[in-house]
Amino acid sequence: AQSVAQPEDQVNVAEGNPLTVKCTYSVSGNPYLFWYVQYPNRGLQFLLKYITGDNLVKGSYGFEAEFNKSQTSFHLKKPSALVSDSALYFCAVRVPYGNNRLAFGKGNQVVVIP
Amino acid sequence: GAVVSQHPSRVICKSGTSVKIECRSLDFQATTMFWYRQFPKQSLMLMATSNEGSKATYEQGVEKDKFLINHASLTLSTLTVTSAHPEDSSFYICSAYRSGGANEQFFGPGTRLTVL
Repeated sequence: AQSVAQPEDQVNVAEGNPLTVKCTYSVSGNPYLFWYVQYPNRGLQFLLKYITGDNLVKGSYGFEAEFNKSQTSFHLKKPSALVSDSALYFCAVRVPYGNNRLAFGKGNQVVVIP
Repeated sequence: GAVVSQHPSRVICKSGTSVKIECRSLDFQATTMFWYRQFPKQSLMLMATSNEGSKATYEQGVEKDKFLINHASLTLSTLTVTSAHPEDSSFYICSAYRSGGANEQFFGPGTRLTVL
């Protein structure tokens, strides 16, 4: 079964500094990988996904993620964090040709300090 | 992007009553919708997969008689929490699957259920 690990509970970063949120996955077959962001009492907003092609994927709001097959990782990055990036971030994986279900990591709270 | 709505956004009810939550895909047809439950500052737990015109598929440990799911049309799925108890208080989120495009699952804004 597929699974996702987000090892950190909270990521603190100063405004303007680079932001990295880590994600590793375990799945048989080629994974579809996703990042979502959640603001308080809201649903999830899609940031980006990787299916195939370039390992570096660019998404919404200046975020990008790098797929690393050998390390089974899909870390989310942003070169310069904004206070408004403070939110809960979820990494998710789906096995293609399955039932389209997503398995989510536990989430990382990102706090951007002004 | 596609829009998914949930209604109500917030509901408070007495213990023992039933609560219905609606999930609608507003601008696309969704043969598959998913229902999740989220506890504070925790991840989403998939409760069930809702398939239009057929019975929902429940995850292990989720009581199908407690959480009734109906996917009567390609744009509407409902989750009914029957005989609600305080331990059912949670944030319920639905998503609708749309094939193709950059994104596949579109999430509703969630429903905060509080059972007194």
